[in-house]
Amino acid sequence: KQEVTQIPAALSVPEGENLVLNCSFTDSAIYNLQWFRQDPGKGLTSLLLIQSSQREQTSGRLNASLDKSSGRSTLYIAASQPGDSATYLCAVAPTYGQNFVFGPGTRLSVLP
Amino acid sequence: DTEVTQTPKHLVMGMTNKKSLKCEQHMGHRAMYWYKQKAKKPPELMFVYSYEKLSINESVPSRFSPECPNSSLLNLHLHALQPEDSALYLCASSSRDRENNEQFFGPGTRLTVL
Repeated sequence: KQEVTQIPAALSVPEGENLVLNCSFTDSAIYNLQWFRQDPGKGLTSLLLIQSSQREQTSGRLNASLDKSSGRSTLYIAASQPGDSATYLCAVAPTYGQNFVFGPGTRLSVLP
Repeated sequence: DTEVTQTPKHLVMGMTNKKSLKCEQHMGHRAMYWYKQKAKKPPELMFVYSYEKLSINESVPSRFSPECPNSSLLNLHLHALQPEDSALYLCASSSRDRENNEQFFGPGTRLTVL
């Protein structure tokens, strides 16, 4: 059974710092992996989707990498801003047609 | 348009009430999902409709009843709920495309059961 963990559970950084959020999964045979952000009491916003054949994806200040063999993905946020404060979740699709398994999330605070 | 809409935004109901949550998407997606999310926890999958057929029921209590009238609409009928059912209910959709099964979420319905 696929299990997903995220470290750290919470992170507080000053504005302008570059930071890395980590996602680990137990079964390396995944179909793809998706990163989301969630503001308090709101829905999830899709940030990046990485297919199993890809090593990384970029969108603006965000870069997500995938290393299937080690069961890890990282989300890199460059030049962090207070507006980046949110909970970041990663989700893994074990195979095509199977549903995403979510990690517990990392709660990020960017201080002005 | 990558929008999934949900109504209502907030719902307060007693344990004897019957209510429904609604979800709509116009992205042509053929899979739609209901998730339940408690505070500071990740979403938990409740139901999946794939091509308008219920494909997975994650052993959710029968007081929750999903309905998919067409490929764009998804309802969740609620009856005789318990206070522990209070949570954020999220709807999502995806294409189920082999090339791209990215999930898009709605803003959620905050449900309080008294």
